[in-house]
Amino acid sequence: RKEVEQDPGPFNVPEGATVAFNCTYSNSASQSFFWYRQDCRKEPKLLMSVYSSGNEDGRFTAQLNRASQYISLLIRDSKLSDSATYLCVVKVYNTDKLIFGTGTRLQVFP
Amino acid sequence: DTEVTQTPKHLVMGMTNKKSLKCEQHMGHRAMYWYKQKAKKPPELMFVYSYEKLSINESVPSRFSPECPNSSLLNLHLHALQPEDSALYLCASSQWGQEEETQYFGPGTRLLVL
Repeated sequence: RKEVEQDPGPFNVPEGATVAFNCTYSNSASQSFFWYRQDCRKEPKLLMSVYSSGNEDGRFTAQLNRASQYISLLIRDSKLSDSATYLCVVKVYNTDKLIFGTGTRLQVFP
Repeated sequence: DTEVTQTPKHLVMGMTNKKSLKCEQHMGHRAMYWYKQKAKKPPELMFVYSYEKLSINESVPSRFSPECPNSSLLNLHLHALQPEDSALYLCASSQWGQEEETQYFGPGTRLLVL
């Protein structure tokens, strides 16, 4: 079983749609959680950290369920510019390592 | 400023060549990383430097040799690479000891080994 699992997609959605990505992790010692966004042939960029209480940044909402070892990302009112690969990333307690999921590809069409 | 810079942006080398990739950050971060990323795959960790000392080597072949001359610089020396080593090489940095430990990535060096 992979340490961090994501549906690879692709998710093809129209502009204005709401789309949700899920991610599960296997290591219960996981401490910190992030969503990164990676555009084609570019570096990963931090989209948002994920907190236990859930957090929101504009059109983006992240949720964490430690009991189920599950993370989600909700994107509302999708824009064409949201088209990218979204990487679920987990940091294990007391290590310097980030564990990346395989990424979920989103394509927003007009 | 959350900028990590990498040079060169592109590199083509033969299997007998020796080359180096460079990475620089001026955010005062104490941890720096090298990742390798193949097409349609997530980044794979290669090395971690913490306070200028190598703290993690993910069983990387010796033809890849990292070096951290100071807290702002990280090099990756390449020698006798194979075509399958062709990939995007990403450098990242983070502040040691911070709870969130966000890593910031550079734009990468796209390497082609012929």
